[in-house]
Amino acid sequence: DTEVTQTPKHLVMGMTNKKSLKCEQHMGHRAMYWYKQKAKKPPELMFVYSYEKLSINESVPSRFSPECPNSSLLNLHLHALQPEDSALYLCASSSRLEEISYEQYFGPGTRLTVT
Amino acid sequence: GIQVEQSPPDLILQEGANSTLRCNFSDSVNNLQWFHQNPWGQLINLFYIPSGTKQNGRLSATTVATERYSLLYISSSQTTDSGVYFCAVGPDSARQLTFGSGTQLTVLP
Repeated sequence: DTEVTQTPKHLVMGMTNKKSLKCEQHMGHRAMYWYKQKAKKPPELMFVYSYEKLSINESVPSRFSPECPNSSLLNLHLHALQPEDSALYLCASSSRLEEISYEQYFGPGTRLTVT
Repeated sequence: GIQVEQSPPDLILQEGANSTLRCNFSDSVNNLQWFHQNPWGQLINLFYIPSGTKQNGRLSATTVATERYSLLYISSSQTTDSGVYFCAVGPDSARQLTFGSGTQLTVLP
């Protein structure tokens, strides 16, 4: 099973709302990632969690707050977003303990619109 | 950080034609992946190929790590091959991927 799931598929929120994006994997991976992709651009890394600890934050504004409750789940909490935060948010995972492969597997994404 | 350049940026083919996509990167890597992004945004893993050559059906890829480039070959292209192809690399001692700007492939019937 090489599946990463993300919910919701689409999200429309106002600038004063609080919402959360969810990501789940059951591949035994120990690293999980959030990427942001604007239209016609490549994905850009936001956060990396390794063994449930935040290891990389690519200078992301504090209105984005990641959380890793356990090794299978990754959340992205959103608060007071701006219209320019509208994008496709992609979750990925990689690296089982017993292997050295760094191959990342991506979820289908959440398409976020901020109004 | 590591730089990733993909060429060509756009490619239009007739169905049945062959093509080669190129990815150049600026530093040594422990991860190189080729993805196909479908119109709904899903990134589909094509190859994990930090070095060497792999084949999967009509697709094959070669990475020459010492010369810092990778090639993706698509043979006998089909309309369903249309979409954006991304090369992404992970530098040594790091987990994150840096993506190239992609090649937009259009296969005409």
